[in-house]
Amino acid sequence: QVQLVQSGAEVKKPGASVTVSCKASGYTFTSFDINWVRQATGQGLEWMGWMNSNSGNTGFAQKFQGRVTMTRNTSISTAYMELSSLRSEDTAVYYCARARTGTDFDPWGQGTLVTVSS
Amino acid sequence: QSALTQPPSASGSPGQSVTISCTGTSSDVGGYNYVSWYQQHPGKAPKLMIYEVNKRPSGVPDRFSGSKSGSTASLTVSGLQAEDEADYYCSSYAGSNNVVFGGGTKLTVL
Repeated sequence: QVQLVQSGAEVKKPGASVTVSCKASGYTFTSFDINWVRQATGQGLEWMGWMNSNSGNTGFAQKFQGRVTMTRNTSISTAYMELSSLRSEDTAVYYCARARTGTDFDPWGQGTLVTVSS
Repeated sequence: QSALTQPPSASGSPGQSVTISCTGTSSDVGGYNYVSWYQQHPGKAPKLMIYEVNKRPSGVPDRFSGSKSGSTASLTVSGLQAEDEADYYCSSYAGSNNVVFGGGTKLTVL
């Protein structure tokens, strides 16, 4: 079945960077974009950006431009999201999601909790 | 982009219907037929329920339906069941390869 499996929880200090991985299975990885969405505790969903899994082209929400990088390793069907200059407000669960026909996301990874604390 | 506007809460009794609205602008909801709806149970990842305004992925019950009028999209859940109690989020394409989400609506089954 189509599945996205993310890396485990991370604890980082302010100013550091974090990389979350998202391993795809059950479909041809390069045929679908991967999007990243985050959710702070008790808050709503926030779209961060997308990556074309074939070309590696990316696009980011204005809020994250300059601080986020999205890459992939097609040989292992894995996407990566790196967020730098972390601050406490970045504490959230980060999700990867496959874009099926454009901007509808299915499935989603299980989420990765990133905690930023001194 | 600003988040789409959803009511914080909605409720209904088992068997009833409830509609959740999602209001945007002509730059997002009103400008494209790329509105999606997601269901999220506590501690779980979101699940796609509706895409392209009114299409249901396979496996989603036909009790869930979507529509759009102008810059407001709506999700209707008919024949409410206990397992429908969850948070619901709308999203829309917002041009220039951007996506925007709504703030979410907590649906309570009374």
